[in-house]
Amino acid sequence: EVRLEESGGGLVQPGGPLRLSCAASGFALNTYHMNWVRQAPGKGPEWISYISRDSRPIYYRDSVKGRFTVSRDNAKNLLFLQMNSLRVEDTALYFCVRERGGGRSSWFDPWGPGTLVSVSS
Amino acid sequence: SFELTQDPGVSVAPGQTVTITCQGDSLRVYFVSWYQQKPGLAPVLVIYGTNNRPSGIPDRFSGSSSGDTASLIITGAQPEDEAVYYCKSRDNDAQYSYVFGTGTKVSVL
Repeated sequence: EVRLEESGGGLVQPGGPLRLSCAASGFALNTYHMNWVRQAPGKGPEWISYISRDSRPIYYRDSVKGRFTVSRDNAKNLLFLQMNSLRVEDTALYFCVRERGGGRSSWFDPWGPGTLVSVSS
Repeated sequence: SFELTQDPGVSVAPGQTVTITCQGDSLRVYFVSWYQQKPGLAPVLVIYGTNNRPSGIPDRFSGSSSGDTASLIITGAQPEDEAVYYCKSRDNDAQYSYVFGTGTKVSVL
């Protein structure tokens, strides 16, 4: 069974760091591009980062550039999101998602259950 | 910034057909995918490449697209289809960015 499972979420003060992990199982991580998506309470999903199969290229949404860093360890089937200088508005459920397709047609499947990040003093 | 616009909510009687639309300029270039999200759960892919169903998704779900508007059609809606549905596509104004629609709550009454 293809599965993704995030971990590492929690309560953090504004300005603090947090590192999320995503464990992939049921497929070889090194054959897929991966993404992080977040969803603030009561809001829709928001894409935040893309990392290609071999980690080049990597892309971020503007609001997290310079603060978030995505990485992967294909040998261990793990995906990471290092988040620094966290803000209250980063509070959300964070999902790792596998990207399929390519070019003009790509889609996210599956999604992990998500890990909750709360930024508050 | 680029947006994909959806109607906030729609109601449908069990067994009837409901169409959800998603509008945005990038849909003229990029294909759309659709996701179903039930309370407390992660989104689930229901349609990709405009009109392709993943395995396990009932054939009452279908999709179409014309110009800047994509549609998700549920033919013969069931109570378990009650959920929020989001479209997703690329942002054709950014180097590399994905955008989700504003979401449509489907109520099966």
